[in-house]
Amino acid sequence: DIQMTQSPSSLSASVGDRVTITCRASQSISSYLNWYQQKPGKAPKFLIYAASSLQSGVPSRFSGSGSGTDFTLTISSLQPEDFATYYCQQSHSFPRTFGQGTKVEI
Amino acid sequence: EVQLLESGGGLVQPGGSLRLSCAASGFTFSSYAMSWVRQAPGRGLEWVSAISSSGGSTYYADSVKGRFTISRDNSKNTLYVQVSSLRGEDTAVYYCAKDYGLGGYEPFDYWGQGTLVTVSS
Repeated sequence: DIQMTQSPSSLSASVGDRVTITCRASQSISSYLNWYQQKPGKAPKFLIYAASSLQSGVPSRFSGSGSGTDFTLTISSLQPEDFATYYCQQSHSFPRTFGQGTKVEI
Repeated sequence: EVQLLESGGGLVQPGGSLRLSCAASGFTFSSYAMSWVRQAPGRGLEWVSAISSSGGSTYYADSVKGRFTISRDNSKNTLYVQVSSLRGEDTAVYYCAKDYGLGGYEPFDYWGQGTLVTVSS
């Protein structure tokens, strides 16, 4: 199984900050890496697919990069509505696996 | 508008069973693979199982293999998972999720609101 490791597990930031979250796969997954945002009590929201493609309707301050085993999610200027937990997920093979999540706090 | 509506959760004793359902609307259900993803209280997301668009291929996490059975009824636009031999560690909110596209490497673009399964005596 492919293990997904995110870092950090949590971070504190302020509105307007640039935030970067890292996701590492235990083996190469090409660009089959996706990102989701989840707020408390809500279902996850789809943000980015294929490592760097922004889902329709997602603000352009979100961006993704990487390939192989190392990936990043960047929020260029953190907004109040961005405080949430972010998960990476590989869709290269079964079983699908998620990172443990990164909680972005004020 | 795509909608996924889960049902069937509840309180069940260890060793018990439930059948969870996910009613889909707003898209051609029979064209898309579907998955179940769960989240234990205060924990992260865990993929549980997936099924191909036709139902001919199924996939499971090791943690549920042999205990959970995923299925679908394309005539009813409904996804199911039969959860059996339940353990305390199966306590979670169970989400159904739709594949984004028709390929084999798809993310999940729509999620239901989830149904809570609590395993306790």
